[in-house]
Amino acid sequence: DVKVTQSSRYLVKRTGEKVFLECVQDMDHENMFWYRQDPGLGLRLIYFSYDVKMKEKGDIPEGYSVSREKKERFSLILESASTNQTSMYLCASSPLDREMDTQYFGPGTRLTVL
Amino acid sequence: KQEVTQIPAALSVPEGENLVLNCSFTDSAIYNLQWFRQDPGKGLTSLLLIQSSQREQTSGRLNASLDKSSGRSTLYIAASQPGDSATYLCARRLFSGGYQKVTFGTGTKLQVIP
Repeated sequence: DVKVTQSSRYLVKRTGEKVFLECVQDMDHENMFWYRQDPGLGLRLIYFSYDVKMKEKGDIPEGYSVSREKKERFSLILESASTNQTSMYLCASSPLDREMDTQYFGPGTRLTVL
Repeated sequence: KQEVTQIPAALSVPEGENLVLNCSFTDSAIYNLQWFRQDPGKGLTSLLLIQSSQREQTSGRLNASLDKSSGRSTLYIAASQPGDSATYLCARRLFSGGYQKVTFGTGTKLQVIP
């Protein structure tokens, strides 16, 4: 079974703090993704990576950065957390970009910024 | 502009009923269409994936259909059970800017009443 793990289920941080969200997948997948999920807005793509050290902006990259130093690990960084970044953050991975390839999701991290 | 729309936003049915969830999208040049299930506070689990050349997929009591010409997909759940209570999301994948772009609907929250 594919397993995608996220470092924390719940996280509480203060405005201005630097926040790291970690995601690890164990299936040697090429692609990894970071989404945030908000009521009424659905899942929105923040960043994705199709290879080690490669990254592409998604729909809402502002205020975020990412790092992929190893194939299995994709980190989301909030340089200076703000209250509007309070959200559920979901990491996903997928093998390639073939028609039959699905995304596998982690359990999510609920981040609260006070 | 919402590219992927799910109606209804919420649905409550008695146990044993057959039900249909709807998903509509604005671009018919899709790569695939996928249905996910999300339990409260959890990540997404893939249910069914329909490739662009296919019209439907079935898994147990679930059947998903795809009509690219009308921009619609439906998820049919037969003989609903309380354990089916969850939020169901559809996701459309297409090529954009050289990469695959996945857009999620905002989901239908299903409650099956015993």
